[in-house]
Amino acid sequence: AQKVTQAQTEISVVEKEDVTLDCVYETRDTTYYLFWYKQPPSGELVFLIRRNSFDEQNEISGRYSWNFQKSTSSFNFTITASQVVDSAVYFCALMEYGNKLVFGAGTILRVKS
Amino acid sequence: DTEVTQTPKHLVMGMTNKKSLKCEQHMGHRAMYWYKQKAKKPPELMFVYSYEKLSINESVPSRFSPECPNSSLLNLHLHALQPEDSALYLCASSQDATGDPYEQYFGPGTRLTVT
Repeated sequence: AQKVTQAQTEISVVEKEDVTLDCVYETRDTTYYLFWYKQPPSGELVFLIRRNSFDEQNEISGRYSWNFQKSTSSFNFTITASQVVDSAVYFCALMEYGNKLVFGAGTILRVKS
Repeated sequence: DTEVTQTPKHLVMGMTNKKSLKCEQHMGHRAMYWYKQKAKKPPELMFVYSYEKLSINESVPSRFSPECPNSSLLNLHLHALQPEDSALYLCASSQDATGDPYEQYFGPGTRLTVT
C-alpha cells in the first residue's frame, strides 16, 4: 500500500529564515506522481508542484524549491527567505495510476515576523 | 482561470435535515472529486466522477449522495447526517481521471456542522 510520511508536525521559523519540509513516501509502483499542496487558514488547498517518478530533476520556482531523490524515497520542499504569508499547512501527496491522491499528515509552518 | 467555487461556505444542519453542497468549475475539466477533511487531518477522498460518471466511491455511507448534473457541476446531497460528519468538505477538479494523473484544483470548501 502506498504511504506518505511527513515527520514534522509543526515548524516555527522567523521571517527570512530558510525552511525545509520533509516528505518520505512508500509505493510498490515504478510509475507514480508526487505533489505538494499548501493549505492556508482560509482552507483552500493550493497546488504547488507535480513531479513524476521518471523526472528526478530538482525544481526551483521563485523562493520555492523541491528536491526529489528516488534513492531515499524523499521529496523535500524548501522555502527560501520565508515570509509570514508562507504560514500554512503543507501537504505532500502521492498518486498512482488512477488519480487517487494519498496525502501525508501535513506540516504546520508558522512564520513569525 | 484555475477557480473551483463551492457553496455554501458554511452550513449548520440538524440530523434530520436534507441539504446539498454545490461545486462548480469552468476549466473544462472532466474529473471532479469530493473530499472530507476533519480538523488537523489531511483530506480523505470520498467520490470521483470521471466524464460525469461515478468512478470511485470510497465506501462512503449512503447518507452522502453525490450527483454530477454536467461536466461543470458537482453536488453532494446530505441526509440524516451524524455529528461526526461535521468537517470541511472540499471539491476538486482535474483535467482527467484516466491515464496520466493531473493535478487537482481545489475549491475553498464548505464547513459543515451537524447538530
